[in-house]
Amino acid sequence: KNEVEQSPQNLTAQEGEFITINCSYSVGISALHWLQQHPGGGIVSLFMLSSGKKKHGRLIATINIQEKHSSLHITASHPRDSAVYICAVRAGGTSYGKLTFGQGTILTVHP
Amino acid sequence: DTAVSQTPKYLVTQMGNDKSIKCEQNLGHDTMYWYKQDSKKFLKIMFSYNNKELIINETVPNRFSPKSPDKAHLNLHINSLELGDSAVYFCASSPLPGQGNYGYTFGSGTRLTVV
Repeated sequence: KNEVEQSPQNLTAQEGEFITINCSYSVGISALHWLQQHPGGGIVSLFMLSSGKKKHGRLIATINIQEKHSSLHITASHPRDSAVYICAVRAGGTSYGKLTFGQGTILTVHP
Repeated sequence: DTAVSQTPKYLVTQMGNDKSIKCEQNLGHDTMYWYKQDSKKFLKIMFSYNNKELIINETVPNRFSPKSPDKAHLNLHINSLELGDSAVYFCASSPLPGQGNYGYTFGSGTRLTVV
């Protein structure tokens, strides 16, 4: 079992819908990252969280450290949001910041 | 002004060849990484360097040899390429944990195809 599990693996939505992607992890962490990867493109860091909630435009990320769970929400989704969204956790200690990744969620938003 | 730049973006080569991928960051980060993304898009750490010193080597075959001439550069050399090495390789950098901003920055990736 992967240390980081995401759900769903695939998500299809209509433009304007509210979207939620979930991430659960089984290890102690110092931070959790949400990443976005467009087809054929590079990886962009959307959020880094160690507690609470962060918002950037239409994107909201939350984390519950006690429950080892994080969610990424997209409000008023748009076709340009279509991408792979990846949850990654950064362990503490001597790991020097290495990330352990979930398998990604493929999001397709139709007009 | 690219923060983390990798070259080349695409690399097609024959089995048995030796190739290198270069990575440079201009963010002043202390730590650099190489990640491999397989055909199922799953990302996994290969190496981590902190200020030119190897910190993490995640059971990568010794045909892969990272080299960090200074903390702004982390190159990846691959000997005797095999078909299974075909993947997208991402370089990344970050400040040290505990230095406030844990922000990660990725390069644009190098798609390696071994034929």
